[in-house]
Amino acid sequence: GQNIDQPTEMTATEGAIVQINCTYQTSGFNGLFWYQQHAGEAPTFLSYNVLDGLEEKGRFSSFLSRSKGYSYLLLKELQMKDSASYLCVTGGYNKLIFGAGTRLAVHP
Amino acid sequence: SQTIHQWPATLVQPVGSPLSLECTVEGTSNPNLYWYRQAAGRGLQLLFYSIGIGQISSEVPQNLSASRPQDRQFILSSKKLLLSDSGFYLCAWSVLRDGAIGSNTEAFFGQGTRLTVV
Repeated sequence: GQNIDQPTEMTATEGAIVQINCTYQTSGFNGLFWYQQHAGEAPTFLSYNVLDGLEEKGRFSSFLSRSKGYSYLLLKELQMKDSASYLCVTGGYNKLIFGAGTRLAVHP
Repeated sequence: SQTIHQWPATLVQPVGSPLSLECTVEGTSNPNLYWYRQAAGRGLQLLFYSIGIGQISSEVPQNLSASRPQDRQFILSSKKLLLSDSGFYLCAWSVLRDGAIGSNTEAFFGQGTRLTVV
């Protein structure tokens, strides 16, 4: 089966750095994705990791350790618009399984 | 470029009525197609996915069914809606990464349908 765990809520200050952790158990691993979802909107793709290590894309970085079943999303220089849910997603065989998401609130 | 269309954007239906939500994809061939549901304040639940015409996999037992009559068309249906069917329904597509069987690229989502069953 597949199981994804991530914190339900986090808060952070504008300009700061926040790390959102995700642990997963999956049969047939085919990559780890992170998505951002603003309230009432569809999710949008942020990052993809299939090999161990860090992938950096602007203010966002994502890390993967396949042996530990662990990933994190790192957001730097937080902005108010980063307030959203962040979804950890495992790529299984022909399908993507979404975690429940972490609601991040950025305050001034 | 690829686009995905999902309609309607909002829908209010009485309990016991039928449902048909349609999703079409343009600009790609043989995509994997998905239907997800999101209850208020919750994560996305995978309902159905399809790797080809007429090939539907159901993830959870429920009051819903899906069909893929054409390569780029995915339909979510119900014969009789329940109150518990209310939610935000999202259609998505992805393609195989590097052509490898079972290996997905990221999924791209339609704008979603907010269904309220009353």
